[in-house]
Amino acid sequence: GAVVSQHPSWVICKSGTSVKIECRSLDFQATTMFWYRQFPKQSLMLMATSNEGSKATYEQGVEKDKFLINHASLTLSTLTVTSAHPEDSSFYICSPLLTGVETQYFGPGTRLLVL
Amino acid sequence: ELKVEQNPLFLSMQEGKNYTIYCNYSTTSDRLYWYRQDPGKSLESLFVLLSNGAVKQEGRLMASLDTKARLSTLHITAAVHDLSATYFCAVGSGTYKYIFGTGTRLKVLA
Repeated sequence: GAVVSQHPSWVICKSGTSVKIECRSLDFQATTMFWYRQFPKQSLMLMATSNEGSKATYEQGVEKDKFLINHASLTLSTLTVTSAHPEDSSFYICSPLLTGVETQYFGPGTRLLVL
Repeated sequence: ELKVEQNPLFLSMQEGKNYTIYCNYSTTSDRLYWYRQDPGKSLESLFVLLSNGAVKQEGRLMASLDTKARLSTLHITAAVHDLSATYFCAVGSGTYKYIFGTGTRLKVLA
């Protein structure tokens, strides 16, 4: 199956700082990457869809100026949480779109705690 | 707008018992997925269901899809402790988007 990595796996930061999360596809190229957020004991919510070389598409209610997504290459997509606040504390998971493949793969997730 | 609901939300069952988790969705879709999530971990793909009447089985888990009823089931046979996890269904919305169900937290008691 597809191998997806995320870095860091967990991060603790102070309120007001920015945090960058990297998602890499290690053995394939992904033109599209989905970013999800999962609050404790809740389901996954799609935040945005990033496309290599173009602007990301954000879901309703997700602030594009707060959650900056960059998909500069076919193997790397980044999510930057700007001016993080405690309510941004969550589990962030990326998932590449693999065309022609039925199974959906997910990164291992990044747990963010904002103090 | 596609809505996906699972029930039950919580399930505590004895080892060796059978049970079914239900996933209902509100609009037509051509694909449905089941995932398992262990505490603190990401998602593990269990089943992909792409057609009406599709049935797939892996070990003690069996998933089925009824697109007319907009219903999928995940049946657990003779549960064992290792099956304790949270199970999510996800329904395809549009070309590539997926809407996740509310999740079912399963605890199998020894």
